[in-house]
Amino acid sequence: GENVEQHPSTLSVQEGDSAVIKCTYSDSASNYFPWYKQELGKRPQLIIDIRSNVGEKKDQRIAVTLNKTAKHFSLHITETQPEDSAVYFCAASGYSGGGADGLTFGKGTHLIIQP
Amino acid sequence: DTEVTQTPKHLVMGMTNKKSLKCEQHMGHRAMYWYKQKAKKPPELMFVYSYEKLSINESVPSRFSPECPNSSLLNLHLHALQPEDSALYLCASSRNSLGGKEKLFFGSGTQLSVL
Repeated sequence: GENVEQHPSTLSVQEGDSAVIKCTYSDSASNYFPWYKQELGKRPQLIIDIRSNVGEKKDQRIAVTLNKTAKHFSLHITETQPEDSAVYFCAASGYSGGGADGLTFGKGTHLIIQP
Repeated sequence: DTEVTQTPKHLVMGMTNKKSLKCEQHMGHRAMYWYKQKAKKPPELMFVYSYEKLSINESVPSRFSPECPNSSLLNLHLHALQPEDSALYLCASSRNSLGGKEKLFFGSGTQLSVL
């Protein structure tokens, strides 16, 4: 099955600086890569996703890049703000074929924005 | 309605009890999922229902019994649980398109404590 590695486990940046979180995946058949943000005691919320036919996607301060050959994808947050503090999970579709396959998550990155 | 609703929000049960977790969505999604999340860990896939049929069971112990009465409802029946089953149980749904992976929408979860 799919295996997703995520680094770093903890990331502390100064407010206003950029943050980058990296993930690798093992199953070359995976074709969907979402990123979720989870605040303490709350549900995971989708913040951005990318499909394997696209190399980069941007939404305001958040961007995701995908390198299919190397099987890695990254989350970039620019101009970080205190409300960006949370745990971020990358994920990959675990199976090939139809849509209802579930996701395999990375172990998460605790992002801390220092004022 | 763009919400996945889970009840109850909190549940405390003894090891001999029988209880049920409930999940509901009215977005017309045809795929529904149960995930288990331990503190400071990523969500782990338990079950996937596609068009009301169980399509994935990730080797979950039989003390967890899923049920999908109709396309809007998903239940998780609990019986003879162990203290290590204490966790946040998350329900999710997606459109289930065979054309590609679809976004997962998570409920707020049920925080389960087994005494």
